Amino acid sequence: AQSVTQLGSHVSVSEGALVLLRCNYSSSVPPYLFWYVQYPNQGLQLLLKYTTGATLVKGINGFEAEFKKSETSFHLTKPSAHMSDAAEYFCAVTDGGNNRLAFGKGNQVVVIP
Amino acid sequence: ETGVTQSPTHLIKTRGQQVTLRCSSQSGHNTVSWYQQALGQGPQFIFQYYREEENGRGNFPPRFSGLQFPNYSSELNVNALELDDSALYLCASSRAGFHTGELFFGEGSRLTVL
Repeated sequence: AQSVTQLGSHVSVSEGALVLLRCNYSSSVPPYLFWYVQYPNQGLQLLLKYTTGATLVKGINGFEAEFKKSETSFHLTKPSAHMSDAAEYFCAVTDGGNNRLAFGKGNQVVVIP
Repeated sequence: ETGVTQSPTHLIKTRGQQVTLRCSSQSGHNTVSWYQQALGQGPQFIFQYYREEENGRGNFPPRFSGLQFPNYSSELNVNALELDDSALYLCASSRAGFHTGELFFGEGSRLTVL
């Protein structure tokens, strides 16, 4: 079964600073990997995804992530944090044969002015 | 294009009661999945429906059941509610045959069990 691990439930970042959220996955087959964002009182929205091909993927709102098979990682980054980035971020994995996602516990991002 | 809508948004039940949550999928989507998100946790897959049949189930007991209707809308039913069932229940729709993991989520139904 696939799974992902996200460490550090709360992440504080200064406005304008780098945002780095770590995700490591476990999968017995080539994984499909995702980052979703959840704003307060809203459902989850897809930020970006890796299925096959280019390992550096770009998403919405200036976020990007790099798939590193050797490190079983899919870390999310954004060069400069905005106040609007305050939200909860979830890494997820599926084996690609269905749309059943296994989510991590999430990172609550707080942006400090 | 209408998005995923869920009802009710909030509800309170007592232990032992039964609850039904409803979901209308996004236009053009024929697959519905349900997730449970406990406080401080990531969403956990409950089950998925395609062509009105259950098409995969997570580690949830049989008292969690569902339905999908011909118009692709769906219901989640939970019998014999327990305190630990308190959570945000998320519905997500997608298109079968498009196995990209891009799910479109509703805003959820927050269930409190007292």
